[in-house]
Amino acid sequence: QVQLQESGPRLVKPSETLSLTCTVSGGSIVNHYWTWIRLPPGKRLEWIATASYTGSTNFNPSLRSRVTISVDTSQNQFSLTLTSVTAADTAVYYCARVTWEAGSNWFDPWGQGTLVTVSS
Amino acid sequence: DIQLTQSPSSLSASVGDRVTITCQANQDIKKYLNWYQQKPGKAPKLLIHDASSLETGVPSRFSGSGSGTDFTFTISTLQPEDIATYHCQQFDDLPLTFGGGTKVEIK
Repeated sequence: QVQLQESGPRLVKPSETLSLTCTVSGGSIVNHYWTWIRLPPGKRLEWIATASYTGSTNFNPSLRSRVTISVDTSQNQFSLTLTSVTAADTAVYYCARVTWEAGSNWFDPWGQGTLVTVSS
Repeated sequence: DIQLTQSPSSLSASVGDRVTITCQANQDIKKYLNWYQQKPGKAPKLLIHDASSLETGVPSRFSGSGSGTDFTFTISTLQPEDIATYHCQQFDDLPLTFGGGTKVEIK
């Protein structure tokens, strides 16, 4: 079965760039869409961005100016960068696969999540 | 953005109780709503897609209903392993959005 694992720095300084990678195992990254979602402490889940293996992307407008998402089919990985971070970007970051079926879509499976703290 | 209002934000019930959570959208989202279960310290897990379709392998005590703006998620007989936070999520329009979550505890 497909499994996802996030990796990257757990502590990022304010104004710097957050970079995370999601490694996909047990299946190919090709022919699927992939997404990043975060859960800030005490808040609701927030969708960040989605990308396909072809390079097509969608972004949450609230983060669009600071986000890059990319898919590396050779490494079976996809990544997230978020620039100019502040304390408000402190959150558990999840990667997930987007399943599309007959016009519907949902997130499954998810990675275990990684807590990224923005602090000096 | 489509706003999803979940209620209650938390509840405490006894094993064997029927538990109901609602998710209300601020505009018509047809049946484009999913429900996830998130156990403490774990990633969310898909339980129901398209408002009422039970994901394969999910126990039948979980169910969902609704369309348009009003949706309901039900646990027919609460089990100890159902302690979790439950999230609704819409996919009718971008940006994809989630409800505020409902934390379910055992009384």
